[in-house]
Amino acid sequence: QKEVEQNSGPLSVPEGAIASLNCTYSDRVSQSFFWYRQYSGKSPELIMSIYSNGDKEDGRFTAQLNKASQYVSLLIRDSQPSDSATYLCAPSLADKLIFGTGTRLQVFP
Amino acid sequence: AAGVIQSPRHLIKEKRETATLKCYPIPRHDTVYWYQQGPGQDPQFLISFYEKMQSDKGSIPDRFSAQQFSDYHSELNMSSLELGDSALYFCASSPAGRGLTDTQYFGPGTRLTVL
Repeated sequence: QKEVEQNSGPLSVPEGAIASLNCTYSDRVSQSFFWYRQYSGKSPELIMSIYSNGDKEDGRFTAQLNKASQYVSLLIRDSQPSDSATYLCAPSLADKLIFGTGTRLQVFP
Repeated sequence: AAGVIQSPRHLIKEKRETATLKCYPIPRHDTVYWYQQGPGQDPQFLISFYEKMQSDKGSIPDRFSAQQFSDYHSELNMSSLELGDSALYFCASSPAGRGLTDTQYFGPGTRLTVL
């Protein structure tokens, strides 16, 4: 079992809708979590970081963390075609990131 | 704002050759990480350095070595290249020291192709 699990998708949502991306992690993994967005052939780009239980909002993005359930999610409101990318969940373990396989999001006009 | 710089951006090598990838972290970042991303795969941690010392090691082959220099730039040396080494190699930097969980900022990557 991988330390970080994500639904590989693709997750298809219409423009303007809410996209919900989920991630579960094993109990070995650290308690700091990062969401990165990666376009094909490009480098991961930081979207959000979250360290404590609850919600954290930044613009159209909201990260949610539930340590008891070992679950972290990312909500994207008012999805745009430019949001179409792979979203990587990345808990940190000491000083390295453990990436999930990523969820491919497709936002169609 | 300055970002992480990697060079070269593209590299083509033959099997059994050597390759050197370079990474220049964001100014005042003292921690550097290397990741390998194969086609259709998630990035895999290779190795990290803090203040010029190796701080952690992941799934890095013995054929690979890396170091961080006094100006904090880092080089990843790869010898006896194999076809399976073809991948994107990312460098990331952060301002935190070992054991902290500060944000890592990624460079544009080096695409290595081994023929």
